[in-house]
Amino acid sequence: GAVVSQHPSWVICKSGTSVKIECRSLDFQATTMFWYRQFPKQSLMLMATSNEGSKATYEQGVEKDKFLINHASLTLSTLTVTSAHPEDSSFYICSARRQSNQPQHFGDGTRLSIL
Amino acid sequence: LAKTTQPISMDSYEGQEVNITCSHNNIATNDYITWYQQFPSQGPRFIIQGYKTKVTNEVASLFIPADRKSSTLSLPRVSLSDTAVYYCLVEDGRTNAGKSTFGDGTTLTVKP
Repeated sequence: GAVVSQHPSWVICKSGTSVKIECRSLDFQATTMFWYRQFPKQSLMLMATSNEGSKATYEQGVEKDKFLINHASLTLSTLTVTSAHPEDSSFYICSARRQSNQPQHFGDGTRLSIL
Repeated sequence: LAKTTQPISMDSYEGQEVNITCSHNNIATNDYITWYQQFPSQGPRFIIQGYKTKVTNEVASLFIPADRKSSTLSLPRVSLSDTAVYYCLVEDGRTNAGKSTFGDGTTLTVKP
């Protein structure tokens, strides 16, 4: 199988707090990891793509200083939402991929609520 | 990257075969096609992937015509638990090309 673990599954915190979300590929090495954001009843919106050991590539309109991505190893990527505000509340989903011609495997998402 | 177009929604009944077609007119030589299933408040789950012709696994079949401008996901004998959103994704197969863009997906509702 190809299992991707994402933690935490949900988090509630006060405005101004920074929140870190972890994404781990448990049984395979991922050359590429993706971070998505999804609003209710909408599709997944790609935020950034990261390759191990390289800086993440952010999609247009996604603030690099707001959403910090670290892909330090072939099995771990983290997304840190810095100084979170209510408008950052959303469902964040990561995925990991072994190679470029293989499918993505997704975590179960993190529900982030900023009060 | 190729834009995908799918029907917004489909209804079916238990035990029926369901075919969901995705259009990707601008698909490139290096692109391959992947289908995912998503339940509410969960991450998408991989269903099947193909490049051309027909691919079959234990849960679905994927039909891709010679021009590759469309693909059809076939779900045999659906059950109520197959009610979900289905996404067709066209991805660049080149090393580290990375980017993938989800379309709007098809909401499949299976009725008893």
